[in-house]
Amino acid sequence: GQQLNQSPQSMFIQEGEDVSMNCTSSSIFNTWLWYKQDPGEGPVLLIALYKAGELTSNGRLTAQFGITRKDSFLNISASIPSDVGIYFCAGQTAAGNKLTFGGGTRVLVKP
Amino acid sequence: KAGVTQTPRYLIKTRGQQVTLSCSPISGHRSVSWYQQTPGQGLQFLFEYFSETQRNKGNFPGRFSGRQFSNSRSEMNVSTLELGDSALYLCASSLNFGGGNTIYFGEGSWLTVV
Repeated sequence: GQQLNQSPQSMFIQEGEDVSMNCTSSSIFNTWLWYKQDPGEGPVLLIALYKAGELTSNGRLTAQFGITRKDSFLNISASIPSDVGIYFCAGQTAAGNKLTFGGGTRVLVKP
Repeated sequence: KAGVTQTPRYLIKTRGQQVTLSCSPISGHRSVSWYQQTPGQGLQFLFEYFSETQRNKGNFPGRFSGRQFSNSRSEMNVSTLELGDSALYLCASSLNFGGGNTIYFGEGSWLTVV
């Protein structure tokens, strides 16, 4: 089973809002990756973080690699309807390309 | 540059049968990993291949196996299918083996066992 705790499990967004999600682990990781998955599709890489303390942006997305190497967060600024989907964090050790995934954050649009 | 290509996209098998799924990594990528995604267990690592050798293995029974060819293409096989094997099987590729590599996923193969 998963070793990463990802929260929140789900959230509702209104267009224009900023949203945040995070992942925590009991283990240290050397790399943190954030993916978005749309229904019926494979995960698409959003941001990769390779160094503790690193803060990286990709358009409206910003992610940080925690200094303890046991956590990471992802922010989405000024959300738009196409931000809907499931976001996954994943941690990777130095021992190979095996990824350990969080349970996902389901982003939905406020009715 | 073409992404990770998985075939078939959808398939239905009967309990007890076996299935083979195929993956072509991004051109130039030499590491291929496989994951199983289910609503209950999420995304779980199956195994990783690099230079035709299995380098890492997840916690799955021996019915799950894989291989990698000299052109880096990979296949995974599930024998004696069980209902619980119904899942999205994802292939991921990266340039090299070892940590610090960016990992890209294919669209997956949807397996339904009836």
